[in-house]
Amino acid sequence: DAKTTQPPSMDCAEGRAANLPCNHSTISGNEYVYWYRQIHSQGPQYIIHGLKNNETNEMASLIITEDRKSSTLILPHATLRDTAVYYCIVLLRNNDMRFGAGTRLTVKP
Amino acid sequence: ETGVTQTPRHLVMGMTNKKSLKCEQHLGHNAMYWYKQSAKKPLELMFVYNFKEQTENNSVPSRFSPECPNSSHLFLHLHTLQPEDSALYLCASSQARGTSGDETQYFGPGTRLLVL
Repeated sequence: DAKTTQPPSMDCAEGRAANLPCNHSTISGNEYVYWYRQIHSQGPQYIIHGLKNNETNEMASLIITEDRKSSTLILPHATLRDTAVYYCIVLLRNNDMRFGAGTRLTVKP
Repeated sequence: ETGVTQTPRHLVMGMTNKKSLKCEQHLGHNAMYWYKQSAKKPLELMFVYNFKEQTENNSVPSRFSPECPNSSHLFLHLHTLQPEDSALYLCASSQARGTSGDETQYFGPGTRLLVL
């Protein structure tokens, strides 16, 4: 499975867009990019996933570069409740979902 | 609310006790998972069940014993645990694993376990 690289921490001002980057330079053509977040001591929450195309749902947007070697999760209007650890994961079907250390996003008033 | 529930939410047990963790999913999924999250460590996959059959055991010690009586329920039986087994135990489910179904996993809130 491809490994991912994320910054360990980021800050964002409340009401502004939070852009969380992820590098997955060794991703293969049939591996999906998944994003989860984990608020302190709770179970990880699914946010969004994609294969090649950009995706948007009620929580966030996922932008995947054309070469698929990196992606960005965008929270369009961050709130204090978006403070969490965000995990970027690449997943090959029928394989394990491997969580790394993620990015600790702190949304500040 | 993700549709995956876990009980109990908190558990304190001695090293000689036997206890069980329960997970139930209300999503109609066919695959269920146990993960362990120790302090300041990434999630570690422990067991995978697909259509009630165990398909993966990631070198988990035998003092952890999973049981999947049907696609909606998953148990983790604990006996003679060690203090280093104290962690957050998370259950997840997905529609399918290794088929054409969606493999997105949905997690429960976890059971915080403390072994004394």
